[in-house]
Amino acid sequence: GNSVTQMEGPVTLSEEAFLTINCTYTATGYPSLFWYVQYPGEGLQLLLKATKADDKGSNKGFEATYRKETTSFHLEKGSVQVSDSAVYFCALSALYQAGTALIFGKGTTLSVSS
Amino acid sequence: NAGVTQTPKFQVLKTGQSMTLQCAQDMNHEYMSWYRQDPGMGLRLIHYSVGAGITDQGEVPNGYNVSRSTTEDFPLRLLSAAPSQTSVYFCASKRQGSTEAFFGQGTRLTVV
Repeated sequence: GNSVTQMEGPVTLSEEAFLTINCTYTATGYPSLFWYVQYPGEGLQLLLKATKADDKGSNKGFEATYRKETTSFHLEKGSVQVSDSAVYFCALSALYQAGTALIFGKGTTLSVSS
Repeated sequence: NAGVTQTPKFQVLKTGQSMTLQCAQDMNHEYMSWYRQDPGMGLRLIHYSVGAGITDQGEVPNGYNVSRSTTEDFPLRLLSAAPSQTSVYFCASKRQGSTEAFFGQGTRLTVV
């Protein structure tokens, strides 16, 4: 079946530190992969995506590369800011009987202090 | 643009009560879906729809009903609420052929 596994949090970093949040997936075929971010009290927002192997998604200084050989989509940022504090979800698009829908990991809470 | 609108934002129910969580989108998206978010569990798919009149079950459909009579609306019904349904519920929509989903602000439901 389809599933997403991401590293457990919380992740606590100082401002300007390097961030990595690991994400691996199990899927039938080659799904599109996503990182969503949820700021406190808000819904989810798409952070970045990759639709095929070796694609690199990037946005707001965050990057993730679709690695088919390791079935991974790790999120990285070279220098985090306090405003990056949020919950980050890795997700894939799964094919259901009638169409596609997103399958999410459990989320990783990031807390950045100044 | 309103995007995806969920109502209510907060709700407290007694065990056994029924209610409908509303979701509306103004982007003419074909796909709509409902998720629940629980601590340590991430978001789990309840039901989804690929167009008016077409719905299907997701990972955790038990205890929930949906219908899709219009493109804009996708209500989620709890027929007899249980404490296990205490959660934050998110509605999402996306255009057919697109990979980006848009989420509502969520409904925080407590069943006592």
